[in-house]
Formats: sequence, structure tokens, C-alpha cells
Amino acid sequence: DAKTTQPTSMDCAEGRAANLPCNHSTISGNEYVYWYRQIHSQGPQYIIHGLKNNETNEMASLIITEDRKSSTLILPHATLRDTAVYYCIVKDNDMRFGAGTRLTVKP
Amino acid sequence: EPEVTQTPSHQVTQMGQEVILRCVPISNHLYFYWYRQILGQKVEFLVSFYNNEISEKSEIFDDQFSVERPDGSNFTLKIRSTKLEDSAMYFCASSVGTLREKLFFGSGTQLSVL
Repeated sequence: DAKTTQPTSMDCAEGRAANLPCNHSTISGNEYVYWYRQIHSQGPQYIIHGLKNNETNEMASLIITEDRKSSTLILPHATLRDTAVYYCIVKDNDMRFGAGTRLTVKP
Repeated sequence: EPEVTQTPSHQVTQMGQEVILRCVPISNHLYFYWYRQILGQKVEFLVSFYNNEISEKSEIFDDQFSVERPDGSNFTLKIRSTKLEDSAMYFCASSVGTLREKLFFGSGTQLSVL
């Protein structure tokens, strides 16, 4: 019953932008898109969320398409410490995690 | 920055024993959650709790599991009779609200059932 689809893994060069895509074609009008990440076996860490407008904070930017069927998380200058599993979640009631994208930032 | 605290960080127990995992959510948060992650697998939702009641639970959260907020600061997960397959990392989380609110996660309790 996954609501999102993400690539299994991605690589990014250190210092470059990491663009992580997510498809959520069945999203409904009042559902938010959330992004979390999990570094190694630590607890998941909130990154950003949005409804339909693009959002930016100190960690990342979130670009949501006009039809809201997909989004992209952008880490503008990836560092080695950004290596993690990134989860895109469409939240209805509770936050449920899928398999995510394993991002590896390489020197 | 305030954080969610979980104790112990590691717990080893024998199959069939009861275990209680403890969490101290962020003080002004009202919604509390337990998740688990079996080694190499995804983070799985167990239960959410608000106003001293379970608000949502997954199919994993069967009669062997219970949650409690025994006082104003602690939030506990009890497993009555542990099974080998309960071995996992258990994460507690809290949030101020439930809609448009971000969850803050603790660092987890690694439960090993022998």
C-alpha cells in the first residue's frame, strides 16, 4: 500500500547538488509530502515537508510539481555526512516509511 | 535543541520474558509514537498515542504489545512475552501535533531476544 516510489539508490559527488526524486501519483489534495533521512542506524531525522508550494530550509529544498504527483528533494551541496537513506512520505494519518533511497556521497 | 530520550540503548532478554522500553518525549509534545526496525529492513510504524489513548496502530501491534504514559514525562512500550522475531531497533518519536507536524525521533533501543 506504498503511496510513494523512490529509486533504490543514488550516488552523488561531494560538493555537488543531490537531487532525490519521488513519485506520489495517488496523492490527495490535503496530503503533505514529508522527507526524512536515516543515517546508519540512528533514528530518522526530519528534513522538510510541503503541500504544493516549493519549500526551502537550512537543510534542503523541496520542489513539488504543479500536479503534485511527484517531488524532488535537493541537497544543494552534498557532504559525506549526507550519506543516508532518504524517505519520501505522503502522510495521511500516521507517518509510514517505505524503503527509501540510499544516497551515497562520494569524495 | 530538545530531544527524545530512550532507555536503555540495548536490551537483551530471554524469549517469553516481558520487556519494557522507555522513552521521554520532548516536554511540550502531545503525540507519541513507537516504530521498530528489524535489521536491514524498513522502519515500521507500530502505534500512535494521544490524550492517553491509542489513536492508531498497525497490524504488528497485537495483544502482546501495550503502551502507557504512566506519568507526565515517560512513554513506555511493553512486550508481554517476547519472541525471537521481536528482535529489532525500537524508536520512540513525539510531535507537537499530528497534522503538518514533524516527528522527532529518539536514538532507539536495540532489543535482542535470545
